[in-house]
Amino acid sequence: AQSVTQLDSQVPVFEEAPVELRCNYSSSVSVYLFWYVQYPNQGLQLLLKYLSGSTLVESINGFEAEFNKSQTSFHLRKPSVHISDTAEYFCAVKSRTGNQFYFGTGTSLTVIP
Amino acid sequence: EAGVAQSPRYKIIEKRQSVAFWCNPISGHATLYWYQQILGQGPKLLIQFQNNGVVDDSQLPKDRFSAERLKGVDSTLKIQPAKLEDSAVYLCASSPGGPFNNEQFFGPGTRLTVL
Repeated sequence: AQSVTQLDSQVPVFEEAPVELRCNYSSSVSVYLFWYVQYPNQGLQLLLKYLSGSTLVESINGFEAEFNKSQTSFHLRKPSVHISDTAEYFCAVKSRTGNQFYFGTGTSLTVIP
Repeated sequence: EAGVAQSPRYKIIEKRQSVAFWCNPISGHATLYWYQQILGQGPKLLIQFQNNGVVDDSQLPKDRFSAERLKGVDSTLKIQPAKLEDSAVYLCASSPGGPFNNEQFFGPGTRLTVL
């Protein structure tokens, strides 16, 4: 089975400052990696995913994440955050041959004006 | 394209009562998931269907939880009887199935409060 660790449960950051949300995973097989975002009172939305190819993946709203196999990490970054980025962010992993997605406990990002 | 629909959005019941949630996945999606998200935790898979068959229900508390997807389209999740610890958001998600099963689309969830 796989597992995901999100070490930071809450991250406050000032508007226009950079942010990094950390995600580490554990797996004995090759995996796919995902970041989901959950705005208040809404369901989870896919932010970005790593399936294969370039280890750096980007979202349409300026987030990026880099798959680091040696460090088993998939940290999420944004160089300049906006108020609208305030949300809960979940990292998830799925084995390439399995069915189940495993989610981390989430990181609450609060952007301070 | 319509998203995943869930109802009700909110439900408050007393312990030992029964409750049912409904999910209508995106049209054509073969795979349907039910997750339980307890406050402060990530979603935990309860059951996964492929069409109308169960793929994984290893984490479903079968003494009180049941789920069905009879026609391979919409699905219901039932809790009978409910316990205080069942208070959570119940999320339904769907994905196309087959080689495209690497993205899930989530519904808005049903927030259950058990008093």
